[in-house]
Amino acid sequence: EIVLTQPRGTLSLSPGERATLSCRASQRVSNDYLAWYQQTSGQAPRLLIYAASSRATGIPDRFSGSGSGTDFTLTISRLDPEDSAVYYCQQYGNSPLTFGGGTKVEIK
Amino acid sequence: QVQLVESGGGLVKPGGSLRLSCAASGFTFSDYYMSWIRQAPGKGLEWLSYISSSGRTIDYADSVKGRFTISRDNARNSLYLQMNSLRADDTAVYYCGRSMGLSAISGWGQGTLVTVSS
Repeated sequence: EIVLTQPRGTLSLSPGERATLSCRASQRVSNDYLAWYQQTSGQAPRLLIYAASSRATGIPDRFSGSGSGTDFTLTISRLDPEDSAVYYCQQYGNSPLTFGGGTKVEIK
Repeated sequence: QVQLVESGGGLVKPGGSLRLSCAASGFTFSDYYMSWIRQAPGKGLEWLSYISSSGRTIDYADSVKGRFTISRDNARNSLYLQMNSLRADDTAVYYCGRSMGLSAISGWGQGTLVTVSS
């Protein structure tokens, strides 16, 4: 099983700043099949990025994904108050599919 | 628009069973893989199972293998999760999700809460 490690704790940033979230896999993610999701309080997750760097439909270009192999990054440029959420990475290249533990982003 | 609506959650005793349903609308259900994902209170997301568009390919997380069974009825645009031998650590919000092939989950329901307690 591929274990995805995301830094725990809260990233506290101001509006307009850039957030950089990391996701490290315990082994190579096949085909870089790595997704990022945003979950705001009390809501279902929403797909942001798939295949490491492709933005999902309707996602603002402030959100970008990068990385390959075992190290992946979600970048949120120009933070907006509505970006306050928990962000999860997920790999779907290897069975079983797995999620990271999530990183919370708080907007000051 | 794409809509996924889970139902069937509730309170069940340890060792009991429950069947969750997910009703799909707004898209061609038979074109999509479907998954179940859960989230224990205050915890992260855990993928449980997926089923291919035809129903021929199925996979499970080790935590539920042998206890949970995923199925679908393309004629009824519905996904199911039969949960047996439930334990306290199965307490969670259960989400259904769709993906185009074995891919990222592009659509999610709002979830249904399952509580396993005596």
